[in-house]
Formats: sequence, structure tokens, C-alpha cells
Amino acid sequence: SAVISQKPSRDICQRGTSLTIQCQVDSQVTMMFWYRQQPGQSLTLIATANQGSEATYESGFVIDKFPISRPNLTFSTLTVSNMSPEDSSIYLCSVEFTGEGYTFGSGTRLTVV
Amino acid sequence: QKEVEQNSGPLSVPEGAIASLNCTYSDRGSQSFFWYRQYSGKSPELIMSIYSNGDKEDGRFTAQLNKASQYVSLLIRDSQPSDSATYLCAVNMRGSYIPTFGRGTSLIVHP
Repeated sequence: SAVISQKPSRDICQRGTSLTIQCQVDSQVTMMFWYRQQPGQSLTLIATANQGSEATYESGFVIDKFPISRPNLTFSTLTVSNMSPEDSSIYLCSVEFTGEGYTFGSGTRLTVV
Repeated sequence: QKEVEQNSGPLSVPEGAIASLNCTYSDRGSQSFFWYRQYSGKSPELIMSIYSNGDKEDGRFTAQLNKASQYVSLLIRDSQPSDSATYLCAVNMRGSYIPTFGRGTSLIVHP
């Protein structure tokens, strides 16, 4: 299975600022996925990032708020823009290898104050 | 709305007992089913996948799938305190390669 390095592991940010989260995979993958997990809640898919094309966003998530980059087959970033306390959550990147299920990064615990 | 439902728990079992975790899903055409374990403060890790009706065993873990009744379960035999975690059920609904996750069941194994 893949190894994903995600950073930062946690951050405390002021409202109105932006944070960029990075994920590096040790293998080439076609798609990378960004999830949000709020306290006591399930994993919610934010968007799917393909290399060389625009990310595909799920209902309720927009590019202006969560811009994503995917410059190559091993790396992606998610930016949380113009943050508010409601954005406080754990953000996870993930990849999938056929038949092996999903592997997750270690997560970024974001607190907006 | 395609859903995956789990009892949030907590499910408390004594050490050495069998823990039974259940999950139901709404889409009858679902094809792939996964169980993830998530320790507090950590990210989910895949522990079992199952694709066809019946049982699949891996060590102390057994996944059971019943497509007709639209449920999938996870049995943990000889439960250990180290099994205490939240267990997430994930289902690939018909036509989707992206899983829908349940909210998870918190399992507590007490000595």
C-alpha cells in the first residue's frame, strides 16, 4: 500500500487567513482525494484531484474556498481560504489502489480562532 | 440520499469477548465494502474489504456481507484493549468508485 506524508499535522489559524495542506505519495496515483472529518462526524469528501485537470468538487464545496493543486502524480495541496471557526476540522488526503481500499494521510488538525 | 448507517455506540465488551459491529446501506447495487479502524487522533486505516456475500476472515477479524439484507458486519474475536477505536464502515455505491463512509462505531474493550 502507499505511504502518504501529510503536513502540517496541526495548526491554529486566525480567522480570515488561509492554510495550505500538502500531501506527498510515495507512488504515482491517478486520483487523490481530500476529506474533512468534523468532531463526531463521518468522513466527508471535499474533492477529487486528478493530475492535469481541474479538481472535481462535491456538493457544498467550492473552488474559491478550497482550491486544490495537483501538479504531478505524487503530490497535491488543499488550501482552506478565508477561514472561519466553522472550518475547524481534521483534513485528510487519501489515495486508492485498485483492490486495496483507501490509504489516508496522517491528517491535519485545523483550529480557527 | 445514499447512506451508510452505523450505531455510534459506544459498544463496550470485556477483553476476550467477540465484538460485533454492524453497518447498513441504502443502495442495493453497492459493490464494494470496507471496514476502517480509527484510533483517537489518528487517521483511518483499512482492516478489511469484502465484495461478495458471505464471510471473509483475516486473523481475529471476520467481515460478513449480506447484500439481500443490505448489511455488512465486522466481528472481532478475542477482543483486546488495543482494539478500542472507532470502526468506520465504507461502501462504494452503484456506479461510484468513491466510498461513502458511515459515522463510525466506537468500540471500548475493557480489561
